[in-house]
Amino acid sequence: KAGVTQTPRYLIKTRGQQVTLSCSPISGHRSVSWYQQTPGQGLQFLFEYFSETQRNKGNFPGRFSGRQFSNSRSEMNVSTLELGDSALYLCASSSGSHYSYEQYFGPGTRLTVT
Amino acid sequence: AQRVTQPEKLLSVFKGAPVELKCNYSYSGSPELFWYVQYSRQRLQLLLRHISRESIKGFTADLNKGETSFHLKKPFAQEEDSAMYYCALLPSNQAGTALIFGKGTTLSVSS
Repeated sequence: KAGVTQTPRYLIKTRGQQVTLSCSPISGHRSVSWYQQTPGQGLQFLFEYFSETQRNKGNFPGRFSGRQFSNSRSEMNVSTLELGDSALYLCASSSGSHYSYEQYFGPGTRLTVT
Repeated sequence: AQRVTQPEKLLSVFKGAPVELKCNYSYSGSPELFWYVQYSRQRLQLLLRHISRESIKGFTADLNKGETSFHLKKPFAQEEDSAMYYCALLPSNQAGTALIFGKGTTLSVSS
């Protein structure tokens, strides 16, 4: 089974710009979650999509948004980038059942905001 | 508030020594707790889950609801155990799979 893929792997953007990151889950998985990883804050949950609907949302400003397509692929968008948005963005896929607990993580997209 | 605390940023031990990575949580409901591990240049992956009560790669973790802890233990550390370890909580009062992670502990095992 192919693993979770994320594109692009690296991005450099300027303050004020916007960015879109993509995540392709494992085939058959209907849930995609997004996390932000920084040295200071560690791993923080952004949001989860299940069957094209946002099911959970973390405590991030509205500049962070996402969506999921019918094939379960997901994108997250960050508008009006700030320096503090520099981070590793991880997505994780799972079957979506609360009791099918294992999340499979992608390699991440490293975003640098200058 | 729901929170996971890993008090040690770095734990350094010698090969063959016992290891205990600490994890404390704050959650009013019945928690589901996990340990995830990230080896160098690899993806974050599940190590174990408290409900399964398994021993994975020699690691075990026991949920202590009285002390709100879920410490990860291994009797004899190996160099290949060197990695970043994250404790995570899955709130049981919500649908979905939104994990709350601790900030992680780097385990360094030297010979």
